[in-house]
Amino acid sequence: SQTIHQWPATLVQPVGSPLSLECTVEGTSNPNLYWYRQAAGRGLQLLFYSVGIGQISSEVPQNLSASRPQDRQFILSSKKLLLSDSGFYLCAWSPLTDTQYFGPGTRLTVL
Amino acid sequence: AQSVAQPEDQVNVAEGNPLTVKCTYSVSGNPYLFWYVQYPNRGLQFLLKYITGDNLVKGSYGFEAEFNKSQTSFHLKKPSALVSDSALYFCAVSRGRDMRFGAGTRLTVKP
Repeated sequence: SQTIHQWPATLVQPVGSPLSLECTVEGTSNPNLYWYRQAAGRGLQLLFYSVGIGQISSEVPQNLSASRPQDRQFILSSKKLLLSDSGFYLCAWSPLTDTQYFGPGTRLTVL
Repeated sequence: AQSVAQPEDQVNVAEGNPLTVKCTYSVSGNPYLFWYVQYPNRGLQFLLKYITGDNLVKGSYGFEAEFNKSQTSFHLKKPSALVSDSALYFCAVSRGRDMRFGAGTRLTVKP
């Protein structure tokens, strides 16, 4: 069966520091991968999605970037964090264009 | 572009009573519709989906949803609510890999 992992689970970072969040998927090949941000426990905002290694699409301009160095690895990064980057970051995968399955999330607090 | 609306921020029901969480959608063509549940500080869990076929879809944990094309609705239902059903529920619509989520409805089931 497929499993999706995210780490770290929680992170507290100062403003201006770099960020790296990692997401890995097990038990499937060539999944579509997604990064979402959820603010205040409500709606989800799609940040990035990827259909293959090195193929990243950005939904909104922002202080973040994403990379997919391996088939089942998706990384969310920032060079300098802003206060507004705080939130709950969710990674998801899907088999082609079907149901998305979510990881456990990373709670990021920028102080 | 596709979208979903969840008209209720909060739904309160008594344990043992039936529950309904409402969702309406807007999409050109045939929709793929989904329901997810989120417990505090967790990722979203897939409950059920409608792609085609029977308008009544059965999912996990006793939940079901009814697709109504004329009313463009996809309401989530459960005949008898449990306290453990208390969570945040998201409706979503997708076309290809583009999935759009509603703002979420917080369900509280009181003993």
